Amino acid sequence: DAKTTQPTSMDCAEGRAANLPCNHSTISGNEYVYWYRQIHSQGPQYIIHGLKNNETNEMASLIITEDRKSSTLILPHATLRDTAVYYCIVSSSGGGADGLTFGKGTHLIIQP
Amino acid sequence: GAGVSQSPRYKVAKRGQDVALRCDPISGHVSLFWYQQALGQGPEFLTYFQNEAQLDKSGLPSDRFFAERPEGSVSTLKIQRTQQEDSAVYLCASSADVTRIYGYTFGSGTRLTVV
Repeated sequence: DAKTTQPTSMDCAEGRAANLPCNHSTISGNEYVYWYRQIHSQGPQYIIHGLKNNETNEMASLIITEDRKSSTLILPHATLRDTAVYYCIVSSSGGGADGLTFGKGTHLIIQP
Repeated sequence: GAGVSQSPRYKVAKRGQDVALRCDPISGHVSLFWYQQALGQGPEFLTYFQNEAQLDKSGLPSDRFFAERPEGSVSTLKIQRTQQEDSAVYLCASSADVTRIYGYTFGSGTRLTVV
């Protein structure tokens, strides 16, 4: 799996959009970008994934650059409950036995 | 239940004791993963099951760690002769098929403390 680089921590004001960057310059053509988050004392939660097109669901939007070397997860209206560690993971779509490779993620703190 | 259930939620073991951690995946889910998460770190892959077959155990840190899923549903992670370095949160995840296209569902984990 390709390596990802994320800031260690970020702050965002409640009600504003939280934009979390991720660099994955060594991503290969068949690798997806996945985002998970982990709220304190819980297991990771799947947020969204994409290959090359931008994606949106009820939780977030994922913007992937045209060269696919970086991406941004957008939480449009952050709430206090969005405080968590956010993991950007690059991996193939599976079909094999290998698990996802988590890094240290970005600790997002939503300020009231 | 609707999610992945893990038990016990917390476990304190004396060094040298054997422990067994249980994972109940979402009913019908084919893929099951175990991860280990040390304090302040991201989860690290331990092992993978497709139904009852253990297809990858490359992440198990030593031969003291053993996992099984005999009927393709419930899984147990066993750690023999626990050591202090085994202290971590052990997470179980399941997926409906053999791809990860739709993401994994994780349980809340078992926090193991070895004293």
